[in-house]
Amino acid sequence: LAKTTQPISMDSYEGQEVNITCSHNNIATNDYITWYQQFPSQGPRFIIQGYKTKVTNEVASLFIPADRKSSTLSLPRVSLSDTAVYYCLVGPMGFQKLVFGTGTRLLVSP
Amino acid sequence: GAGVSQSPSNKVTEKGKDVELRCDPISGHTALYWYRQSLGQGLEFLIYFQGNSAPDKSGLPSDRFSAERTGGSVSTLTIQRTQQEDSAVYLCASSFASLGEAFFGQGTRLTVV
Repeated sequence: LAKTTQPISMDSYEGQEVNITCSHNNIATNDYITWYQQFPSQGPRFIIQGYKTKVTNEVASLFIPADRKSSTLSLPRVSLSDTAVYYCLVGPMGFQKLVFGTGTRLLVSP
Repeated sequence: GAGVSQSPSNKVTEKGKDVELRCDPISGHTALYWYRQSLGQGLEFLIYFQGNSAPDKSGLPSDRFSAERTGGSVSTLTIQRTQQEDSAVYLCASSFASLGEAFFGQGTRLTVV
């Protein structure tokens, strides 16, 4: 699985847009980029997955440049409830061992 | 049930005792994962089952840890001769692997006293 690097922590305020960038220089051709969210005292929850360009769902957007060596998770207009740890994973679709890094701890303040 | 179910939700055990943690994955999911998470830390991979293939045990921290998955469904993680450093939340996840999304249970909080 490709090694990923993301900021340890980020701070934001309610209503702001938050962008969390993940670096994955060694991404392979058949690798996908997946983001999970973990609230305190809960297991991680799948947010979004993409291969290239842009993916959007009701929770977030994922931007992937042409070289795919990085990706950016974008959370529009965050609220206090978006305070969580966000994990970036890179690996082939299906039948893969999911290995989580340390993630990015996002703190949203009033 | 609709989600991944883990039991017990909390377990307090004495140092040196054996414990068994259970995971009921979502029906039909072929992949099952166990993780350990100490307070304030990230998820530590323990073991991965995929269908009838041999499990990937590369994350098990010592030979005191073992896991099995019966009939391709329920999984049990066993920790023998528990130590205080085994105290953590143990999380189980399952996925229909070809879709790439893993669903996590609520975890078992293990406290070794």
